[in-house]
Amino acid sequence: DGGITQSPKYLFRKEGQNVTLSCEQNLNHDAMYWYRQDPGQGLRLIYYSQIVNDFQKGDIAEGYSVSREKKESFPLTVTSAQKNPTAFYLCASSIRPGQGFGEAFFGQGTRLTVV
Amino acid sequence: AQSVTQLDSQVPVFEEAPVELRCNYSSSVSVYLFWYVQYPNQGLQLLLKYLSGSTLVKGINGFEAEFNKSQTSFHLRKPSVHISDTAEYFCAVSDQQGNTGKLIFGQGTTLQVKP
Repeated sequence: DGGITQSPKYLFRKEGQNVTLSCEQNLNHDAMYWYRQDPGQGLRLIYYSQIVNDFQKGDIAEGYSVSREKKESFPLTVTSAQKNPTAFYLCASSIRPGQGFGEAFFGQGTRLTVV
Repeated sequence: AQSVTQLDSQVPVFEEAPVELRCNYSSSVSVYLFWYVQYPNQGLQLLLKYLSGSTLVKGINGFEAEFNKSQTSFHLRKPSVHISDTAEYFCAVSDQQGNTGKLIFGQGTTLQVKP
């Protein structure tokens, strides 16, 4: 079955640590996205990538970093510079914008908690 | 800049009653419109989308939405809800003119279906 896999489902981080959230898709989508979800605030875009080896900052990129070395993978690193990282993180993918508009498919999310 | 406002943070309703979840958007350009549903601790699933054409859009699970350009609204409706419809619902817009595929989300509406 095609889809998006995020791992781990739950992640605990100590203060000052960097952690990496995994996102893998087998939908052959060019575009991938990372969103952060906080209660009552909807989803906010962290980073997005339209093609391999290219990515752009979203609305709340500070304290986060990404890479896009392979089409199917778009890992997100939450660095120690992110002061309030506790949140639910969602990865999504779609066909490449500009090639028609396709819906965004979402993974099941990773819940990150600072301990 | 675009924005999305979901007018109700929580909507309680009895089983088999009709429901309407309200969504207004602001944009200086034409947009695509979406409704997503999220069950607890899961990712988002697309309910329906408006790209062009008929302003009444039918989606999965018996939901429908009507695009009203003059009122910049995209309200979601279901004539008879079930307990299983209890979830959080997100309205989202995407810029037709841009080529990023980015989505701007509303704050979400929690639908609570009571027996």
